Amino acid sequence: QSALTQPASVSGSPGQSITISCTGTSSDVGGYNYVSWYQQHPGKAPELMIYDVSVRPSGISNRFSASKSGNTASLTISGLQAEDEAAYYCSSYTSITTVVFGGGTKLTVL
Amino acid sequence: QVQLQESGPGLVKPSQTLSLTCAVSAGSISSGAFYWSWIRQPPGKGLEWIGSIYYSGSTYYNPSLKSRLTMSVDTSKNQFSLNLSSVTAADTAVYYCARGGTLQYPKDWGQGTLVTVSS
Repeated sequence: QSALTQPASVSGSPGQSITISCTGTSSDVGGYNYVSWYQQHPGKAPELMIYDVSVRPSGISNRFSASKSGNTASLTISGLQAEDEAAYYCSSYTSITTVVFGGGTKLTVL
Repeated sequence: QVQLQESGPGLVKPSQTLSLTCAVSAGSISSGAFYWSWIRQPPGKGLEWIGSIYYSGSTYYNPSLKSRLTMSVDTSKNQFSLNLSSVTAADTAVYYCARGGTLQYPKDWGQGTLVTVSS
């Protein structure tokens, strides 16, 4: 299984909005509404931010939103804050009952 | 709140077997319908899903690792384990254990443990 495709880096200024894309195939992202997003700060374990394409777990800020169209999922962070600077990973369930992650996107808050 | 703690050798020689254990606290590993997963992250690189084991014992493995991989659950010790055979330098990574209510969403993660493959 091939990793999902994410941009290596994105950046934005405090208060702005950014969007991170995650492209897969019809065998993963496009085939199921089982896309999730994780945030990872340096030296820390990843934290689940979004599941089932657009659902936020309890305690996650509503500044984080996500969607999917075809084989591409997207994570949007609005009202950027310094604490949002981190790596973000998408993941998806696949047709062979496995999980595949994206390559990760480094978000820099300018 | 469940807590997960990885343990095992930090250094493994090439061609040997990497063995890690994840101890589960604040909850029984067999008390609920959870998936227990392993994910790894090579230094400076992205996450790679290794595999998952359901509380009933069913296993789900990354196809690229399947031939070298064994996962198991030990309910008596409230822990689950990973064995990866014939390791090479490419298996050097931080290994995380995690728990999720579904296969696709590991939600509760351990802190991770670095395993280096080197002679």
